[in-house]
Amino acid sequence: DVKVTQSSRYLVKRTGEKVFLECVQDMDHENMFWYRQDPGLGLRLIYFSYDVKMKEKGDIPEGYSVSREKKERFSLILESASTNQTSMYLCASRGTGQSSYEQYFGPGTRLTVT
Amino acid sequence: KNEVEQSPQNLTAQEGEFITINCSYSVGISALHWLQQHPGGGIVSLFMLSSGKKKHGRLIATINIQEKHSSLHITASHPRDSAVYICAVDRTGNQFYFGTGTSLTVIP
Repeated sequence: DVKVTQSSRYLVKRTGEKVFLECVQDMDHENMFWYRQDPGLGLRLIYFSYDVKMKEKGDIPEGYSVSREKKERFSLILESASTNQTSMYLCASRGTGQSSYEQYFGPGTRLTVT
Repeated sequence: KNEVEQSPQNLTAQEGEFITINCSYSVGISALHWLQQHPGGGIVSLFMLSSGKKKHGRLIATINIQEKHSSLHITASHPRDSAVYICAVDRTGNQFYFGTGTSLTVIP
């Protein structure tokens, strides 16, 4: 079974703090994604990575950065957390090639910034 | 601009009812996915479609490529089907575009 894990299920941080969200997948997938999910807006792509040390901006990258130093791990960084970054954050991974079109999601991290 | 539109946004049904959730998209796609999200956050894939129809238990998914439309049907609905159902389209083989989801509540 593919497994995507995230470092925390719930996180409470203060405004201005630096926040690290970690995601690990065990299927040797090339592609990894960070989304945020807000009521009425659905899932929106923040960043994705198609290989180690490679990253691409998604639809809403402002206020976020990412790091992919190892294939299995993709980190999302909030340099200076703000209240409008309170959200559910979901990581996903996906292989490449004809047989690997499905995205596998982690359980999500519900981040509250106060 | 939202490339993927779902309807309805919210749906309440009595146990046993037949349920239909619709998804329309406005762009060319290589595949369409139906996802399920239970309270607590985790998302699982139900179907991946590029044509025709697929069935898994009480769930049926159809797609009409010409009409750019897909439906997810649940027969004999059950309270454990209560979840958010999300339509996602696969454009580039790397990125998904998501609908905003349909929140389904099935009442016993």
